[in-house]
Amino acid sequence: QSALTQPASVSGSPGQSITISCTGTSSDVGGYNYVSWYQQHPGKAPKLMIYEVSNRPSGVSNRFSGSKSGNTASLTISGLQVEDESDYYCSSYTSSPLYVVFGGGTKLTVL
Amino acid sequence: EVQLLESGGGLVQPGGSLRLSCAASGFTFSSYAMSWVRQAPGKGLECVSVIGGSGSSTYYADSVKGRFTISRDNSKNTLYLQMNSLRAEDTAVYYCAKVSGDAFYYYYCLDVWGQGATVTVSS
Repeated sequence: QSALTQPASVSGSPGQSITISCTGTSSDVGGYNYVSWYQQHPGKAPKLMIYEVSNRPSGVSNRFSGSKSGNTASLTISGLQVEDESDYYCSSYTSSPLYVVFGGGTKLTVL
Repeated sequence: EVQLLESGGGLVQPGGSLRLSCAASGFTFSSYAMSWVRQAPGKGLECVSVIGGSGSSTYYADSVKGRFTISRDNSKNTLYLQMNSLRAEDTAVYYCAKVSGDAFYYYYCLDVWGQGATVTVSS
């Protein structure tokens, strides 16, 4: 299956809000409420930030929120902080062979 | 504390083999599917294989099917990835990740990740 489509980069200033999009098809993002978002700092393992489109795991800041409209899911980070500068990946449930597909990743720069 | 610790990475020649291991602790290992996700240098994440909690269900990306084998030993709380016929394009950091449940519709959600094992395929 094809990877989900994310913008290569986004940027924002401290205190601002940004949104990262993740576009798929009706066979993945649009067909199910099974979308996750991951944060990955350089040289580190990814960290789960959002699951089931809009749910936050325990310990994740409420500045991170998720939503979905049609075939596009979105991650919004409000009150940007310097430490939010990172790569962000979306993933979605999809049909076989693996039942999971990732986005290509988005580099967030906090100016 | 839930932890995953990979081992077994290294440098291997094209056509060679390598086996990665992932030792799990802090959760009931057999109750969760497990996944191997790789990241080539400067690239994004790619799920290469998933295994159900009992070990009876296994799934592979087309890019590794027929060359890689995922398995698990629930008595040892350990996940494995046997990699054969390795190619230069298999060079990546390989992460072991815990799936948030055992049913296939959970496979998209990886809630715990290991630190990664580096595999370099080069002559």
